[in-house]
Amino acid sequence: RKEVEQDPGPFNVPEGATVAFNCTYSNSASQSFFWYRQDCRKEPKLLMSVYSSGNEDGRFTAQLNRASQYISLLIRDSKLSDSATYLCVVGVLGSARQLTFGSGTQLTVLP
Amino acid sequence: ETGVTQSPTHLIKTRGQQVTLRCSSQSGHNTVSWYQQALGQGPQFIFQYYREEENGRGNFPPRFSGLQFPNYSSELNVNALELDDSALYLCASSLAQGDTQYFGPGTRLTVL
Repeated sequence: RKEVEQDPGPFNVPEGATVAFNCTYSNSASQSFFWYRQDCRKEPKLLMSVYSSGNEDGRFTAQLNRASQYISLLIRDSKLSDSATYLCVVGVLGSARQLTFGSGTQLTVLP
Repeated sequence: ETGVTQSPTHLIKTRGQQVTLRCSSQSGHNTVSWYQQALGQGPQFIFQYYREEENGRGNFPPRFSGLQFPNYSSELNVNALELDDSALYLCASSLAQGDTQYFGPGTRLTVL
C-alpha cells in the first residue's frame, strides 16, 4: 500500500465546473499536509497548506480529517489555467522533515 | 520564482557513468532535500542535508550520495548509473524549523 494515495485521474472538466480531489495517507504520525501543483515538465509549486480546521484560498478549499487520515481539495469555478497535476503531500517531522508525495491527479479544464 | 536554482537543466549519460547535480538554495534556507521523480509518479525523497550533515534518507542505495557546502548549496552524486535512474531530479530548500519546501526547476537526467 502506498503511503499517500490519490484519486486516479485524469479529470477532464468544463470551465466553470467544481472539481474535488481526495487523498488518504497511512502514516498516523504525519503532522503536516499540503497540496502542490505541478505543471507539465515543471517543478512542484506549493498551492496551499492544509489544516484541521480547513482552509480556503480564493476558489480553493482544503480539508483535513485526521481521524480518517483523509485530505481533500475543492476547486470552484475552474479556469483553463487550473489545468495541471495536483499532488497530495504529507510531512513527517523527525530527524528529517521529509515530504511524501502522492502520484498526483491530472486535471484538464476544457473550454 | 522560488529562488532555488539547479544545474544542469538536462543531462544525458550512459549506463555505468557517474553524474553530479547541483542546487543552490533560497537565501536564508539552511536545509536542502533531494527528490527523484520518475515519469507519471510523484517525487520520491532521496535525502536531506542540514548544516552540511545528512539529516535523513529515503529508500535509495548508497550509490546515491550528497554534499552540502557552508553556503548551503548542495550536490547530488549518482554512481554506476542505471537505466532506471532516468528521471527528473528536484531539490527543495527550507528553513530547518519549518516544513514548507520550495522546489527548484529540476534536472532532467536521461540514462542510455
